[in-house]
Amino acid sequence: GAGVSQSPSNKVTEKGKDVELRCDPISGHTALYWYRQSLGQGLEFLIYFQGNSAPDKSGLPSDRFSAERTGGSVSTLTIQRTQQEDSAVYLCASSLVSGGANEQYFGPGTRLTVT
Amino acid sequence: AQSVAQPEDQVNVAEGNPLTVKCTYSVSGNPYLFWYVQYPNRGLQFLLKYITGDNLVKGSYGFEAEFNKSQTSFHLKKPSALVSDSALYFCAVSVITDSWGKLQFGAGTQVVVTP
Repeated sequence: GAGVSQSPSNKVTEKGKDVELRCDPISGHTALYWYRQSLGQGLEFLIYFQGNSAPDKSGLPSDRFSAERTGGSVSTLTIQRTQQEDSAVYLCASSLVSGGANEQYFGPGTRLTVT
Repeated sequence: AQSVAQPEDQVNVAEGNPLTVKCTYSVSGNPYLFWYVQYPNRGLQFLLKYITGDNLVKGSYGFEAEFNKSQTSFHLKKPSALVSDSALYFCAVSVITDSWGKLQFGAGTQVVVTP
């Protein structure tokens, strides 16, 4: 079946612009996660959604970052007023249900470059 | 707070030889432990996990890992490495008392298998 998809695969933007990154999870997966992968910081958790519950935003690095999940499926990560330190690969993952025992399935990522 | 350590930035091994990638963890509760692999310009792929039960878990592509509670380790192993195993490997932990499903990743270990 189809895996997690993300778009765009690459995004180059100017400092100060807003960007939106999209994630389509595996059909039927109720939990959705965003991570960021960068050379200096490794893999960092950003935010996670589980069904209709309030998202866990504890990993968002600043108030310039926000995310929403519409209809319990597609998610959009928005970065406002981008900075050069936002340059990274943004990974989305989904799992069948929430819970620490469930493996997460990752998308290919969106490579964001802020110039 | 939980943490995961991968003490080796890179592991070099000749094809056909055993491969070991080390991982140690520090958690306050019962850990759920995972291994993921990342091929160039790809997202993370799930290899295996330890939840409970048998300390030796088997996963994809001939990999296995041994959970050792006294040493707080979860080393990844493969009896006979292939050139195609060359990739970046991540150990991760999820703790049941924490935000369920949020993974804490190690820094990653680059595996290079030479013909």
